[in-house]
Amino acid sequence: EVVLTQSPGTLSLSPGERATLSCRASDSVISRYLAWYQQKPGQAPRLLIYGASTRATGIPDRFSGSGSGTDFTLTISRLEPEDFAVYYCQQYGGSLWTFGQGSKVEIK
Amino acid sequence: QVQLQESGPGLVKPSETLSLTCTVSGFSISGGYYWAWIRQPPGKGLEWILSLYHSGNTYYSPSLRSRVTISVETSKNQFSLNLTSVTAADTAVYYCARVVTATPGTPDYYFDYWGHGTLVTVSS
Repeated sequence: EVVLTQSPGTLSLSPGERATLSCRASDSVISRYLAWYQQKPGQAPRLLIYGASTRATGIPDRFSGSGSGTDFTLTISRLEPEDFAVYYCQQYGGSLWTFGQGSKVEIK
Repeated sequence: QVQLQESGPGLVKPSETLSLTCTVSGFSISGGYYWAWIRQPPGKGLEWILSLYHSGNTYYSPSLRSRVTISVETSKNQFSLNLTSVTAADTAVYYCARVVTATPGTPDYYFDYWGHGTLVTVSS
């Protein structure tokens, strides 16, 4: 089972700043099959990125994903007030789906 | 518009069985996708429970496999989760979701539509 480790646990930034979130896999992720989700309090997760770098429908272009193998990154180029939330990475492999433990982006 | 709605008791006693149903609208659960249950304990991260296909093929989390059963009611466009012998550790918000792949035939599986989630508390 692939374990996904996200860092940092919490990122304190101001609106307009750049956020860089990391997701590291314990073993090489199949091709680039990694997704990112955003979750706000009291809401279900929302798909942001799939295939490591493809934005889901309706996701602003300030969100971008990159990486392959064991190291993946979610970048928010300029934080908007609505971007302060928890972000999760997720992968599929060996008939199992796994999530990272989450990274919180909070207002500084 | 694809919509998913979880339903079931909000309170379950320890050692009993947790039963939840996901009702899908706007898309047939026989329409060629997998469907999933995912949970989130209060203040914690997401935990995948299982993914199922309407015809019966199901993948389970190894940590929960022994306590989980599923059923599918295609005529009602519903699928259900049963989790037996629950303890306080099973207290969580339970989500159902649709599993999709960007490229048919490849294992690039992710969750595109989610229900709002339902909180299940295990307590006597």
